[in-house]
Amino acid sequence: SQQGEEDPQALSIQEGENATMNCSYKTSINNLQWYRQNSGRGLVHLILIRSNEREKHSGRLRVTLDTSKKSSSLLITASRAADTASYFCATEAPGTYKYIFGTGTRLKVLA
Amino acid sequence: SAVISQKPSRDICQRGTSLTIQCQVDSQVTMMFWYRQQPGQSLTLIATANQGSEATYESGFVIDKFPISRPNLTFSTLTVSNMSPEDSSIYLCSVGQMNTEAFFGQGTRLTVV
Repeated sequence: SQQGEEDPQALSIQEGENATMNCSYKTSINNLQWYRQNSGRGLVHLILIRSNEREKHSGRLRVTLDTSKKSSSLLITASRAADTASYFCATEAPGTYKYIFGTGTRLKVLA
Repeated sequence: SAVISQKPSRDICQRGTSLTIQCQVDSQVTMMFWYRQQPGQSLTLIATANQGSEATYESGFVIDKFPISRPNLTFSTLTVSNMSPEDSSIYLCSVGQMNTEAFFGQGTRLTVV
């Protein structure tokens, strides 16, 4: 089962533009992680944000978390063609250790 | 961090047969998980592999179809039994500790013909 939904399902932008993806989830969480997956290959971990954090940055990535709205967003600034991939959020519910994935956003960056 | 090795990386199997996927971690971990990713879809958790006890399955997954072994803290297997084309997916092993990054193997790409 999916914990949450991501929107948009697909996003196509020009190189240099910013890309924003949103993740909504259903239950309380310990943390939320964002992953990237290129063409059905392995998952690359991007950022983990804990429930007591509101914003985190890593290079061109910015993640926000609003636990009152049960939502998170991933912003990729100055996108590159190499950012073309599927992006997933995954949430860990308290006491469970396991991660439940969102539906994912397919990002295409056009050169 | 943890390094996860999954074998095989891919396989093509006949319907009605079974395939066992192995997951080896380079350090002892408490929690190991198995996921399925159907074509074009997100990851769905199949089960939590518990060391020393039976696996805990998520809704929609049963032990007869996906038996799991966890003989020690660094190794687990997932068997996909009596396969049909609908079982064609990527199967991923994952490990994690509470409130830290989850690590994933590279996955096993299974095609059932």
